Amino acid sequence: IQMTQSPSSLSASVGDRVTITCRASQDIRNDLGWYQQKPGKAPNLLIYAASSLQSGVPSRFSGSGSGTDFTLTISSLQPEDSATYYCLQAYNYPRTFGQGTKVEIK
Amino acid sequence: EVQLLESGGGLVQPGGCMRLSCAASRFTFNLYAMSWVRQAPGKGLEWVSSIGGSGSAIYYADSVKGRFTVSRDNSKNTLYLQMNSLRAEDTAVYYCAREVGLLDDWGQGSLVTVSS
Repeated sequence: IQMTQSPSSLSASVGDRVTITCRASQDIRNDLGWYQQKPGKAPNLLIYAASSLQSGVPSRFSGSGSGTDFTLTISSLQPEDSATYYCLQAYNYPRTFGQGTKVEIK
Repeated sequence: EVQLLESGGGLVQPGGCMRLSCAASRFTFNLYAMSWVRQAPGKGLEWVSSIGGSGSAIYYADSVKGRFTVSRDNSKNTLYLQMNSLRAEDTAVYYCAREVGLLDDWGQGSLVTVSS
């Protein structure tokens, strides 16, 4: 399964609403997660089952979608959200990640 | 809090071999599948391999199939990745992760550099 993530990078201001999308090459139901990775650190799970917020993750992060089209939304961008974000499909093996979206703060 | 600690990385020559270990603690290790994910310098995440809780279900990425072997010792709460016939393109930080469908907890990573 190919995961196509867009955009590859974006620059936004503090307080902006930010949207990242992932498209699967076939139906993956809701077997999708979103990760945040900061430089030199391991990825951190933000969203599981496409729309469920992982414990401890700020509520400004949300996920939506099912089937082939998925979205990660940051409702009000904060300085600490500067990072690279990845989607991961867990529908079958081999597991596949999106290419990543680098989010920068203007 | 789940703890995963990778070890065994370093510099290896092309064609050489290396074994990574991942020591797990603070959860019931044998109840969980485990995975390896790698990240080449400046690149994205690439899933490498997964192994079921009992060790009977094993999966590999095509890029490592036939060269890498994943295993686990549930008596020692440890996951392994044996890497043979290493290539320059295997240079990466290797992460172990606990799998619950998705990968919910990750180690800090271990750098493997394949170079002469």
